[in-house]
Amino acid sequence: DQQVKQNSPSLSVQEGRISILNCDYTNSMFDYFLWYKKYPAEGPTFLISISSIKDKNEDGRFTVFLNKSAKHLSLHIVPSQPGDSAVYFCAASKGSNYKLTFGKGTLLTVNP
Amino acid sequence: GAVVSQHPSRVICKSGTSVKIECRSLDFQATTMFWYRQFPKKSLMLMATSNEGSKATYEQGVEKDKFLINHASLTLSTLTVTSAHPEDSSFYICSARDSKGGTDTQYFGPGTRLTVL
Repeated sequence: DQQVKQNSPSLSVQEGRISILNCDYTNSMFDYFLWYKKYPAEGPTFLISISSIKDKNEDGRFTVFLNKSAKHLSLHIVPSQPGDSAVYFCAASKGSNYKLTFGKGTLLTVNP
Repeated sequence: GAVVSQHPSRVICKSGTSVKIECRSLDFQATTMFWYRQFPKKSLMLMATSNEGSKATYEQGVEKDKFLINHASLTLSTLTVTSAHPEDSSFYICSARDSKGGTDTQYFGPGTRLTVL
């Protein structure tokens, strides 16, 4: 049972435009969500997180939106840059259990 | 963000040998570290949770006698793959939990590519 789902395996965006990466979850106990960026043969790099008490968190070009009723979160990257091309993982955890459950990732390609 | 290192970055070994992978948090203390495994084109799969000074907690289906975890200090956890077989070949990644500063985030190491011949 996949509790965190990233239904789009890939996304292609033009440089300067907005990239929107989506993530859905099924476990209503999740209360903390994170986005990671990963290049091949490297460990994930933390980008941004959001607690379930918020519906939006912004950090520079990255904004994460959380819709608890829909069990959906999204990562917006504006403006997109070629260096943003990577696999983006959505992850979730619950309460004091710090274990992360990851989605399968979305490959973002930003074209110059 | 916080820095986590892993050593070695890649290792090739013969079947039947044991391999130790180190994970260090360089600029923070981590009471909890995690070990993941990533198969090609798959997501990261949590193997075990490593708590400083206590036994590791393994996920269902992970053999604790095969994947030995030691978290001897607040900045170091080790994963030993014992009697490695070709099916153990994978990309192993550790993370360390940084709970200071009002945030609770896991920072990942760069990963270790294990190839068992």
